[in-house]
Amino acid sequence: NAGVTQTPKFQVLKTGQSMTLQCAQDMNHNSMYWYRQDPGMGLRLIYYSASEGTTDKGEVPNGYNVSRLNKREFSLRLESAAPSQTSVYFCASSEALWGTRVTEAFFGQGTRLTVV
Amino acid sequence: AQRVTQPEKLLSVFKGAPVELKCNYSYSGSPELFWYVQYSRQRLQLLLRHISRESIKGFTADLNKGETSFHLKKPFAQEEDSAMYYCALARGPSGGYNKLIFGAGTRLAVHP
Repeated sequence: NAGVTQTPKFQVLKTGQSMTLQCAQDMNHNSMYWYRQDPGMGLRLIYYSASEGTTDKGEVPNGYNVSRLNKREFSLRLESAAPSQTSVYFCASSEALWGTRVTEAFFGQGTRLTVV
Repeated sequence: AQRVTQPEKLLSVFKGAPVELKCNYSYSGSPELFWYVQYSRQRLQLLLRHISRESIKGFTADLNKGETSFHLKKPFAQEEDSAMYYCALARGPSGGYNKLIFGAGTRLAVHP
């Protein structure tokens, strides 16, 4: 049972390059999330998707785009990477459907991104 | 806007001592509150949620709506409790609960 799988695990980008972080879950969950984790800042929500076909901005959406490709997959794209986007990125999912209560969120193992 | 505040970045205690990790939230409605834990080299995972009123690994947390707090407590800390602890709040626009917000986290270090 894989749970939430993120790829890649590590990435180094040059300023201005673009890339897409992939996330897939096999738990048939409705909601999916992207967070970034920075020292002293905790986890900050970038974007979330309450159900297939919907996405909403979180706390720090600038510089990112997302796609909820289907129920299983939720990707995060950096169009023009900046050093300020150096962080550890986490994808998560929960079974909560729009309007229902969040029970538990399951997390991926993280992607460590460095922008030089 | 909702916000979760964890005032302590690091809490250092000796084994057997009581532990209290503080969490305060700002939200005008009725939130769902959680504690998540991240052990070294492991994924972030749910520790407990207020709606369940449960005790997990000896930890408890009580929601105090008057003080808008959800502090995590354990009477006797163990070395294996050393980890990063995050308080989280779920509340979304238009009545949904899908937006899950985390605090900055508190690192708990339990010394022998």
